[in-house]
Amino acid sequence: DAMVIQNPRYQVTQFGKPVTLSCSQTLNHNVMYWYQQKSSQAPKLLFHYYDKDFNNEADTPDNFQSRRPNTSFCFLDIRSPGLGDTAMYLCATSPDTGGLDEQYFGPGTRLTVT
Amino acid sequence: QKEVEQNSGPLSVPEGAIASLNCTYSDRGSQSFFWYRQYSGKSPELIMFIYSNGDKEDGRFTAQLNKASQYVSLLIRDSQPSDSATYLCAVWTGGFKTIFGAGTRLFVKA
Repeated sequence: DAMVIQNPRYQVTQFGKPVTLSCSQTLNHNVMYWYQQKSSQAPKLLFHYYDKDFNNEADTPDNFQSRRPNTSFCFLDIRSPGLGDTAMYLCATSPDTGGLDEQYFGPGTRLTVT
Repeated sequence: QKEVEQNSGPLSVPEGAIASLNCTYSDRGSQSFFWYRQYSGKSPELIMFIYSNGDKEDGRFTAQLNKASQYVSLLIRDSQPSDSATYLCAVWTGGFKTIFGAGTRLFVKA
């Protein structure tokens, strides 16, 4: 089945220790998104790729970066995680802008910073 | 700042009743509206989307949109315990930006 896969599902890292979260998709969608969702809050868009074009949201901290080496894979790098970065990180894809298409979410990575 | 507002709940309804979930949005230019269901610790999954004013029905779910009032709602008929989840309203504001509400927690009592 076509799907969005995230690894790892759970990650514990220490304060300041870099961490990388991965997302892969078999849907062949052009757009890939990264969201941060803290407990009982709305998913917050961090950035997205349309093909190879990267767009960073204005309020995304510099600590967060992303890479998309090919259509199928996208990575979220957190260079120096703080305690406030503890959250669920959701990867999503859509065929095009998302305005006329739903977004397909992966299962998420629950990150805990200690 | 563009916002999507939902009552956080919890909304508690008995099994078999109608659950009514509401959402308001601030950007009058918004064109597409989505309802996602999110079980605890899981990722959101799409329930319905609506683009035009009025009602859209899909099985036990009905989405209602009133652009003049900037209001969108989701009705769940014959609510089941398996419907207990958080329901996220999402609004496409243009380009690649979809803004999510914080969700309404629904609890269906057996």
